[in-house]
Amino acid sequence: AQSVTQPDIHITVSEGASLELRCNYSYGATPYLFWYVQSPGQGLQLLLKYFSGDTLVQGIKGFEAEFKRSQSSFNLRKPSVHWSDAAEYFCAVGAQNAGNMLTFGGGTRLMVKP
Amino acid sequence: GAVVSQHPSWVICKSGTSVKIECRSLDFQATTMFWYRQFPKQSLMLMATSNEGSKATYEQGVEKDKFLINHASLTLSTLTVTSAHPEDSSFYICSARGNSGGLSYNEQFFGPGTRLTVL
Repeated sequence: AQSVTQPDIHITVSEGASLELRCNYSYGATPYLFWYVQSPGQGLQLLLKYFSGDTLVQGIKGFEAEFKRSQSSFNLRKPSVHWSDAAEYFCAVGAQNAGNMLTFGGGTRLMVKP
Repeated sequence: GAVVSQHPSWVICKSGTSVKIECRSLDFQATTMFWYRQFPKQSLMLMATSNEGSKATYEQGVEKDKFLINHASLTLSTLTVTSAHPEDSSFYICSARGNSGGLSYNEQFFGPGTRLTVL
């Protein structure tokens, strides 16, 4: 069975600073990988996804993520954080051999200092 | 495109009553819909997978008689929480997957969620 680990439960960064949110997965084949953002009381918004091809994926709102097979990682990055980026971020893996069901990481709460 | 709605967005009910939550794919046909539950400050946990016209597949530990799922059409799935109790209070999120019209089978589109509070 697949699993996803987001090692950082909380991260605080200053506005304008760079950001990296970690995501490690466990899956026996090439996974489908996703990053979602959730504001309080809201649903999930897809930031970016990786299915195949270029391992550096560009998403919305200036986010990018890099798939590193050797490290089983799919870390999310943003060069300059805005106060509006404060939210909960979830990494998820889709398993091809399980009907593409998604397994979510525990989430990372991002706080942005002015 | 690929918009999913949920209704209601929030509901408060008395203990012992039943509550129905609707999940609709507005601009695509959803062959599969998923229901998730999210407790405060926690991640999403898959409750069940429903395919149009067939019985839902429930995850281990989810009571199928308590959480009734119906996927009667390609655009609508419903989750009914029967005899709700305070411990059922949670944020319920649905997602839908289509495999036509340019949509990838590999991607799910999420609804905005329904907050259920049982008094």
